[in-house]
Amino acid sequence: DQQVKQNSPSLSVQEGRISILNCDYTNSMFDYFLWYKKYPAEGPTFLISISSIKDKNEDGRFTVFLNKSAKHLSLHIVPSQPGDSAVYFCAASRRAGANNLFFGTGTRLTVIP
Amino acid sequence: EAGVAQSPRYKIIEKRQSVAFWCNPISGHATLYWYQQILGQGPKLLIQFQNNGVVDDSQLPKDRFSAERLKGVDSTLKIQPAKLEDSAVYLCASSSRDSALYEQYFGPGTRLTVT
Repeated sequence: DQQVKQNSPSLSVQEGRISILNCDYTNSMFDYFLWYKKYPAEGPTFLISISSIKDKNEDGRFTVFLNKSAKHLSLHIVPSQPGDSAVYFCAASRRAGANNLFFGTGTRLTVIP
Repeated sequence: EAGVAQSPRYKIIEKRQSVAFWCNPISGHATLYWYQQILGQGPKLLIQFQNNGVVDDSQLPKDRFSAERLKGVDSTLKIQPAKLEDSAVYLCASSSRDSALYEQYFGPGTRLTVT
């Protein structure tokens, strides 16, 4: 049972444009969400997170939006750079302070120079 | 600061053989995780340690998988006997605290192929 879903396996964007990666979840108990970025042959690295008490969190070029009623979150990258090309995983935690992260299946972003 | 170290990076074995993976977390990190990532899927937690105690092993197939973390530092994950469906990347991660609020740092993973 996939509780965190990333329905787009891949996305291609021109350099300088906006990249929007989407994530849906089914478990209403999730209250903390994270995005991880993964390059080939490396482990995932933390990118940005958001708590369910917020609907937006911004860090430089990266912004995560959370729509609790729709059980949907998105990651916006503006402007996109070729170095952003990687696989992006969305992850969720059942409650703040809990340890178990549930990951989505990932979206491969390709930023075209 | 040195990252999470894992070895070997790649391993190919035949089904029914046994295999072991090693992980050295970031110095001072009390929490250690083992994840299994099957091709095309996201990482799935197998087991979590807090120091040398097990916090969560609910998704560990205990009939064939075992893990230990002696002295609360390094950890090993063993599969015995391996099945074809165990082919995956095994990721080790560590964190300074037992909470999703604290960033998990991942190692490069061990890619296991079972033939």
